[in-house]
Amino acid sequence: ETGVTQSPTHLIKTRGQQVTLRCSSQSGHNTVSWYQQALGQGPQFIFQYYREEENGRGNFPPRFSGLQFPNYSSELNVNALELDDSALYLCASSLMAGHDTQYFGPGTRLTVL
Amino acid sequence: KQEVTQIPAALSVPEGENLVLNCSFTDSAIYNLQWFRQDPGKGLTSLLLIQSSQREQTSGRLNASLDKSSGRSTLYIAASQPGDSATYLCAVTSSGGGADGLTFGKGTHLIIQP
Repeated sequence: ETGVTQSPTHLIKTRGQQVTLRCSSQSGHNTVSWYQQALGQGPQFIFQYYREEENGRGNFPPRFSGLQFPNYSSELNVNALELDDSALYLCASSLMAGHDTQYFGPGTRLTVL
Repeated sequence: KQEVTQIPAALSVPEGENLVLNCSFTDSAIYNLQWFRQDPGKGLTSLLLIQSSQREQTSGRLNASLDKSSGRSTLYIAASQPGDSATYLCAVTSSGGGADGLTFGKGTHLIIQP
């Protein structure tokens, strides 16, 4: 059984650019959530996708958007990058939306200069 | 708005000691509570999940308790080892169906001295 994988591992962008982060869910999981973790903080919920539809969103602006594909892999897109977007971005998959153990990937470290 | 607090923020103890990490949450209407471990610069590893109807869960040297009415959970680590050094995060799922995601505390940074 393959766990949650994320790509790339590290990424450096400049302010104003756009970035796409990718996540492959654990086999059989139809729900994926994305989190942003700033240094020294707990992860903050960005949004959740269930069967290709966004079904929950945290307090993040619209320039954070996502997609979930038929194979349940997912993308996080961030437009107009700001310095404060520098963080570890974590993807988590679960068998059921919300009420089940969430399994996290290793994360993508994004640095915005 | 749900808020999760973890105390202490950091803890350093000699190997072999038993220790307790604390987590509190402001809204008792939760569906479940999870404890995670995070190694530096890495993702999160789920340690224990407690459903709101449960009082505790155990896995090896770890025991987590939940008192939903008082908004508290503890993670007990027995016979600590240097390999237990990591940041421990507590997170809750609200009862509103889970589409709000997990709400995390800031974590307890644990160092076990050999």
